[in-house]
Amino acid sequence: EVQLVESGGGLVQPGGSLRLSCSASGITFRNYAMHWVRQAPGKGLEYVSSITSDGDSTYYADSVKGRFTISRDNSKNTLYLQMSSLRGEDTAVYFCVQPSDWLPFYWGQGTPVTVSS
Amino acid sequence: QSALTQPASVSGSPGQSITISCTGTSGDIGSYDLVSWYQHHPGKAPKVMIFEVTKRPSGVSNRFSGSKSGNTASLTISGLQAEDEADYYCCSFAGSITFPYVFGTGTKVNVV
Repeated sequence: EVQLVESGGGLVQPGGSLRLSCSASGITFRNYAMHWVRQAPGKGLEYVSSITSDGDSTYYADSVKGRFTISRDNSKNTLYLQMSSLRGEDTAVYFCVQPSDWLPFYWGQGTPVTVSS
Repeated sequence: QSALTQPASVSGSPGQSITISCTGTSGDIGSYDLVSWYQHHPGKAPKVMIFEVTKRPSGVSNRFSGSKSGNTASLTISGLQAEDEADYYCCSFAGSITFPYVFGTGTKVNVV
């Protein structure tokens, strides 16, 4: 059974930083690209970032480009999202996603991030 | 990329069938047979119900079916059950490795 467990969310002030983690089990993690998707309160789902299976290539939505960094440690089966210069509009639940044929397939339960003073 | 358009809510009685539409453009739904549907109970992990327009993952009830015509995809839930009450999102490949997919606006299914 595939399990994706996010952690690291919390309350942070505007301009602050936070690092999210996603621990994967039940899959050969190193074989899969991984994504982050978020959902702001009362809003829909939004693609945030993706990383190739070997970590060599990363991609970002325009809304987070230059502020967020996605990375992975295949030896630890863990995906990361380093978030900096956080803004109120980054307040959301952040989901770790394993895609299949480009689209999200397996999802974690999400970790909430609140950006507020 | 603009979000795909879904109705805000759809209601049905137990045992009925409902259909949720998802309207995109010729640049996403209209160009690729890569459309997925997700069921989301708030506080839980979203669950894929349909992928590649019509395919059901192992373990998903055959009461759920997907289709596509032109720029619009649809999810039909037949034999509606109380447990089907949730938010549903469509998602389509958007053709770019830098922005791979776009989600729908979401539909709340109410079982009344």
